[in-house]
Amino acid sequence: EVQLVESGGGLVQPGESLRLSCAASGFSFDDYWMHWVRQAPGKGLVWVSEIKTDGTKTNYADSMKGRFTISRDNAKNTVFLQINSLRAEDTGVYYCARGGLPFSLDYWGQGILVTVSS
Amino acid sequence: QSALTQPPSVSGSPGQSVTISCTGTNSDIGYYNRVSWYQKLPGTAPKVIIFEVSNRPSGVPDRFSGSKSGNTASLTISGLQAEDEADYYCMSFISPTTPYVFGTGTKVTVL
Repeated sequence: EVQLVESGGGLVQPGESLRLSCAASGFSFDDYWMHWVRQAPGKGLVWVSEIKTDGTKTNYADSMKGRFTISRDNAKNTVFLQINSLRAEDTGVYYCARGGLPFSLDYWGQGILVTVSS
Repeated sequence: QSALTQPPSVSGSPGQSVTISCTGTNSDIGYYNRVSWYQKLPGTAPKVIIFEVSNRPSGVPDRFSGSKSGNTASLTISGLQAEDEADYYCMSFISPTTPYVFGTGTKVTVL
């Protein structure tokens, strides 16, 4: 069974940094691109970032370039999202997802809440 | 990149059909056949129901169908059921360097 489990969220102060983790199981992790998607409270889904199977290529939404860094550890079946200089508008539920169907996301984690507030 | 445009809400009675539009530009939806659709229930993770414009993943009922005309993709739910009440989002590939953007989302209400 495919499982994606996010961790590392919580309440953080503006300006701080955070690293989210997503532990994958039930599939051959290094065969798939992995993604992060965010949903702010009461708002829609926003695609954040993706990383290639071997970690050699990453892409970001324009508004995420600079403060967001995606990475992966294939030995630990884990994908990460580092967010620096956190702002209130970064608040939301962050989902990791697998790019298992052509140009789409076939499995998602349950999401992890990040709240940026003083 | 701006979000793709969806109607905020659509509604229908059980058994009816509803169609949700997703409008982009000739650089994204109009250029690529790389539109997917997601169903999102409150408090749960999104679920893919259509990929590459009109393909259904295994296990998705054939009541869900997708299509595209020009710069607009559409999701049709036929034979609407109470369990279809959810938020629906389109997503399109837009470029190799900033690959994806979601639509603004549509709330489907079953009357």
